[in-house]
Amino acid sequence: EVQLVESGGGLVQPGRSLRLSCTASGFTFGDYAMSWVRQAPGKGLEWVGFIRSKAYGGTTEYAASVKGRFTISRDDSKSIAYLQMNSLKTDDTAVYSCSRGTMIGQYFQYWGQGTLVTVSS
Amino acid sequence: EIVLTQSPGTLSLSPGDRATLSCRASQSVTSSYLAWYQQKPGQAPRLLIYGASSRATGIPDRFSGSGSGTDFTLTISRLEPEDFAVYYCQQYGSSIRTFGQGTKVEIK
Repeated sequence: EVQLVESGGGLVQPGRSLRLSCTASGFTFGDYAMSWVRQAPGKGLEWVGFIRSKAYGGTTEYAASVKGRFTISRDDSKSIAYLQMNSLKTDDTAVYSCSRGTMIGQYFQYWGQGTLVTVSS
Repeated sequence: EIVLTQSPGTLSLSPGDRATLSCRASQSVTSSYLAWYQQKPGQAPRLLIYGASSRATGIPDRFSGSGSGTDFTLTISRLEPEDFAVYYCQQYGSSIRTFGQGTKVEIK
């Protein structure tokens, strides 16, 4: 059974950093792209970015709203994907979820329950 | 970035009704790489449709997707009580994936 569990959320001040983790199980982690999606309270889904598998170069793509501030990485030996968030803004307040879809990260079949990040002074 | 615009924002219908949800893209979606999701309060999204018209595993056949280019539709042929939820479209034709803003299907 595919399982995705996010951790690392919490309350952080504007301008500070936070790193989220997504621990995966139930599949060969290294074979799949991993994505991050966020949802602000009462709002819709917003794609944050994804990291390709090593077979596809391990490269990353980001939404314009986070590019240059957020970095996605992966540790295939631990089956963990990370979301490093720097220069946080109040608009980044959301539930952050990791997701797995096809091997090249097209659509999203499996989702974690998410971790809440609150950016506030 | 491809912007997806969903309409209507809210659809008020009764169980047994037919629901038609629209998703329009700001530019053509390559190879009809469009997916639909259902989300209920407090739950993760559930994949319904991929490739514009292919149902995901375990999705009832009352859900169907159609369209190409810039115009896509999700149809629920006869609404069941469990279908009242928010629906999102998502394109993956571009390396920068995007979601629509969602359509809420509520009980009339």
